[in-house]
Amino acid sequence: AQSVTQPDIHITVSEGASLELRCNYSYGATPYLFWYVQSPGQGLQLLLKYFSGDTLVQGIKGFEAEFKRSQSSFNLRKPSVHWSDAAEYFCAVGSSGNTGKLIFGQGTTLQVKP
Amino acid sequence: DAGVIQSPRHEVTEMGQEVTLRCKPISGHDYLFWYRQTMMRGLELLIYFNNNVPIDDSGMPEDRFSAKMPNASFSTLKIQPSEPRDSAVYFCASSLGTSLYFGPGTRLTVL
Repeated sequence: AQSVTQPDIHITVSEGASLELRCNYSYGATPYLFWYVQSPGQGLQLLLKYFSGDTLVQGIKGFEAEFKRSQSSFNLRKPSVHWSDAAEYFCAVGSSGNTGKLIFGQGTTLQVKP
Repeated sequence: DAGVIQSPRHEVTEMGQEVTLRCKPISGHDYLFWYRQTMMRGLELLIYFNNNVPIDDSGMPEDRFSAKMPNASFSTLKIQPSEPRDSAVYFCASSLGTSLYFGPGTRLTVL
């Protein structure tokens, strides 16, 4: 079955500390992978996406993610977290045929301590 | 560009009433998606359109739900009759190519 797992429901980090949010997927075809961020009361905003090529992809707001096929993972990282990064983060997988038809993980809520 | 526009932003209704959610996609986008977000089930795709034609409605939970896209700039999601378990945030999203753009959502509460 196709699925996305985000093992951490809630993460708290100190401002300025590094961040890694985990994402594992199960997908029969070649996956197209995405990370979205959702601030309270807002829609989802695309942070970055991976389709092919370099397995380390850069996104907006200083985020990056690394695709590891052998581990079926697509973890999101940021070297130094800012208070404004507090939000909910969603990993999603889709296919090349339709990159809007996505399967989302349950989300990870990031809290940033001052 | 104003982005994806949804209305209303909040809707409170009583069980049994008809609810209509509206969406204006980004101009020029050829795909439109309706997603639902709940605490229990997370984000789920309900239905999507390509060039105004419904392609996959397998995520629509019941016959009480229906969606239309009469033209490239407007779509509706209707629930009739509504039930308390329909309470959720409903997102419309549109895409052209590989990036999906979400609207701000409609928070529906069915009492």
